[in-house]
Amino acid sequence: GQNIDQPTEMTATEGAIVQINCTYQTSGFNGLFWYQQHAGEAPTFLSYNVLDGLEEKGRFSSFLSRSKGYSYLLLKELQMKDSASYLCAAYNTDKLIFGTGTRLQVFP
Amino acid sequence: GAGVSQSPSNKVTEKGKDVELRCDPISGHTALYWYRQRLGQGLEFLIYFQGNSAPDKSGLPSDRFSAERTGESVSTLTIQRTQQEDSAVYLCASSLSGWNTEAFFGQGTRLTVV
Repeated sequence: GQNIDQPTEMTATEGAIVQINCTYQTSGFNGLFWYQQHAGEAPTFLSYNVLDGLEEKGRFSSFLSRSKGYSYLLLKELQMKDSASYLCAAYNTDKLIFGTGTRLQVFP
Repeated sequence: GAGVSQSPSNKVTEKGKDVELRCDPISGHTALYWYRQRLGQGLEFLIYFQGNSAPDKSGLPSDRFSAERTGESVSTLTIQRTQQEDSAVYLCASSLSGWNTEAFFGQGTRLTVV
């Protein structure tokens, strides 16, 4: 089976830190992706975790725990332009499956 | 090409007509995906190609939907006898191998069935 869950919506303040969680249950798991999607635009790649631990990339970091089927995306020093949907995705055997996305609204 | 290209970018069609959506993947990418995204919703998996073979068609919503791919190049998604519930953005993505590799998305085709 396959299931990817993440919160529907989150809000945060400019300059703050926000953590977006994702839990997954997929067959043949081989890594977890995070994508960013601004309204009316295509998703763009943010990060990929295949091993347990934290991957840091500038203001964005992503964490994976394979044993717990859990990942999070951490966004630091939030900016208004970070308002977007954040999509968690994993390969289910050989097809890439997405969660429904978390819509993040950053307020001044 | 430099990126994934989809055409048309917008399509308005009458209920009951057939439509064909086109995707040109990044050159050299063997894996190609079609997704559907309704307004305010997540990405719904439709079909996946590895080369010109489609190992997984489980996401196609009905037999009105079909897809083809020529070699490791262009793919077309065909929707026959369109219904209003088919209105959505249809996104295509390609990746180098379809296994642990990043998928790159096209800008999508916005389909409106009236």
